[in-house]
Amino acid sequence: DGGITQSPKYLFRKEGQNVTLSCEQNLNHDAMYWYRQDPGQGLRLIYYSQIVNDFQKGDIAEGYSVSREKKESFPLTVTSAQKNPTAFYLCASSIWTGGDGANVLTFGAGSRLTVL
Amino acid sequence: AQSVTQLDSHVSVSEGTPVLLRCNYSSSYSPSLFWYVQHPNKGLQLLLKYTSAATLVKGINGFEAEFKKSETSFHLTKPSAHMSDAAEYFCVVRGTTDSWGKFQFGAGTQVVVTP
Repeated sequence: DGGITQSPKYLFRKEGQNVTLSCEQNLNHDAMYWYRQDPGQGLRLIYYSQIVNDFQKGDIAEGYSVSREKKESFPLTVTSAQKNPTAFYLCASSIWTGGDGANVLTFGAGSRLTVL
Repeated sequence: AQSVTQLDSHVSVSEGTPVLLRCNYSSSYSPSLFWYVQHPNKGLQLLLKYTSAATLVKGINGFEAEFKKSETSFHLTKPSAHMSDAAEYFCVVRGTTDSWGKFQFGAGTQVVVTP
């Protein structure tokens, strides 16, 4: 079945450590996204990528980094510079077209990061 | 820039009664609008989408939404709530022109269904 796989589902980190969240999709989607979710704030965009080897900052990119070396993969690194990293992180993908209708987001199951 | 406002942070309904979740949008162009549902500790699932075709959009699990340009609204309804509808719901607008691939999310509405 086609879909998006995020790992790990739960992750604990000590302050000062970098951690990397994995996101893999087999939907052949062009675009991939990382969102952060905090209670009562909806989803906020961290980074997104339209094509391989290219990505753009979203609304809250500070303290995060990404890479897009393969179409299927878009890992997110939460660095020690992120002041408040405890959150639920969601990866998504979509077709990237200029036409109407097809451009919807498909989500993974999420990764919950807790800083101890 | 595009944005959405969900007018209720929490909605409580009895099983078998109608559900109404309210969403207003702001967009310079004819928007593409979506409703997503999220069950606890899960990813988001698409309920329905509006992309400038019929103004009344039917989605999964008996949900539907009506696009009203004059009111800049895209409210989500269901005639009869089921216990499994307890979840968080998000109204989403897609960007246009130079922000084509960016989606703006509302703050979410938590739905509680009581027996």
